[in-house]
Amino acid sequence: DAMVIQNPRYQVTQFGKPVTLSCSQTLNHNVMYWYQQKSSQAPKLLFHYYDKDFNNEADTPDNFQSRRPNTSFCFLDIRSPGLGDAAMYLCATSSTRELLNSPLHFGNGTRLTVT
Amino acid sequence: GESVGLHLPTLSVQEGDNSIINCAYSNSASDYFIWYKQESGKGPQFIIDIRSNMDKRQGQRVTVLLNKTVKHLSLQIAATQPGDSAVYFCAENKYQGGKLIFGQGTELSVKP
Repeated sequence: DAMVIQNPRYQVTQFGKPVTLSCSQTLNHNVMYWYQQKSSQAPKLLFHYYDKDFNNEADTPDNFQSRRPNTSFCFLDIRSPGLGDAAMYLCATSSTRELLNSPLHFGNGTRLTVT
Repeated sequence: GESVGLHLPTLSVQEGDNSIINCAYSNSASDYFIWYKQESGKGPQFIIDIRSNMDKRQGQRVTVLLNKTVKHLSLQIAATQPGDSAVYFCAENKYQGGKLIFGQGTELSVKP
């Protein structure tokens, strides 16, 4: 009964080789988020979609892109992964941007290794 | 920049004891606070939340306390169990914008 599903759970890519992580949701939530979480650190917001409206964080590198073809799916594209991009990538959803009554639902993440 | 931080990175308690996890925040405009639990290899899981117009909220075995005067948030877990072992994050959010800012995290270990 998973509601936010991330595939794959583990991804290995080579330095500089583009990689795509995927997230799907069965909650029909309007908002989808991508967070980066490095070892022993807090999740850091990269960007989010409010419906089709893309919102990038000011400090998110250009190397990171996202696509949301429909309500259910959202993708994280890393165009040229560096060693410093190795991390857990978390997808989350909420029904609205007003989180007071719609807290984030997280997937179990994709752990990215860059060799 | 403004951030949410935690006082202690690790906390070890005996099974059955009560646990208290603390969080300091610096954004006085934040109106809503959330505690998340993250087990190894999993995404953060919502535990409990509190609005800024409250100073205490109770759930099942958990209580969140908010002290806006000193910008302090705490999570109390009663009768801590081995299944409570995880990393706990506090997070803050403004009503407008929907950006959730996470604190550093505290790793809770429960000894049998």
